[in-house]
Amino acid sequence: DAGVIQSPRHEVTEMGQEVTLRCKPISGHDYLFWYRQTMMRGLELLIYFNNNVPIDDSGMPEDRFSAKMPNASFSTLKIQPSEPRDSAVYFCASSPPWAGGLGNEQFFGPGTRLTVL
Amino acid sequence: GQNIDQPTEMTATEGAIVQINCTYQTSGFNGLFWYQQHAGEAPTFLSYNVLDGLEEKGRFSSFLSRSKGYSYLLLKELQMKDSASYLCVAESDRGSTLGRLYFGRGTQLTVWP
Repeated sequence: DAGVIQSPRHEVTEMGQEVTLRCKPISGHDYLFWYRQTMMRGLELLIYFNNNVPIDDSGMPEDRFSAKMPNASFSTLKIQPSEPRDSAVYFCASSPPWAGGLGNEQFFGPGTRLTVL
Repeated sequence: GQNIDQPTEMTATEGAIVQINCTYQTSGFNGLFWYQQHAGEAPTFLSYNVLDGLEEKGRFSSFLSRSKGYSYLLLKELQMKDSASYLCVAESDRGSTLGRLYFGRGTQLTVWP
């Protein structure tokens, strides 16, 4: 398997523009996570899906952020309008069906480095 | 709330042993992960502890004490390639669903020749 795939790898945009980040999870994984990593705050969970359904979006910073998972093999994270403080590395991760009781290893994509000028 | 504390930086020499400590406070706790993250790369899974005690996996071992809210990652026979950030990650207990992960800020380990 190719692992978790994210695109683009780098994005530079201007304040006020719409940004769309894309993720393809590992085939057979039914959990998908979106994280943001900054020097100041470390790695933070934004939202996660199970079987394409959003389970916990309490980490989404504000209404400018939205995430969708239209099918098992694709998810998007959209920021509209973008602001300089959104500059960060955004990771997508997936994990296999939960066996119950034990933690599930998460497999991370390479990340998208977003710079908002 | 969630609070995870680990040292910001550590240094060691090749061939040595290093222990990275982590204390956590979570409102509901299921287990403790350690992830490794090289500069500019994605985090990768190292270990998972749900029971008290030591789990050994090659050169890496991880320990958990649930009563003390404490874990450590032990790296033996250090190699240059072990220079990375090590993330302590607490998994919350959500009952019938997968627990949410809370990441520490990471300990940047530098291994010198």
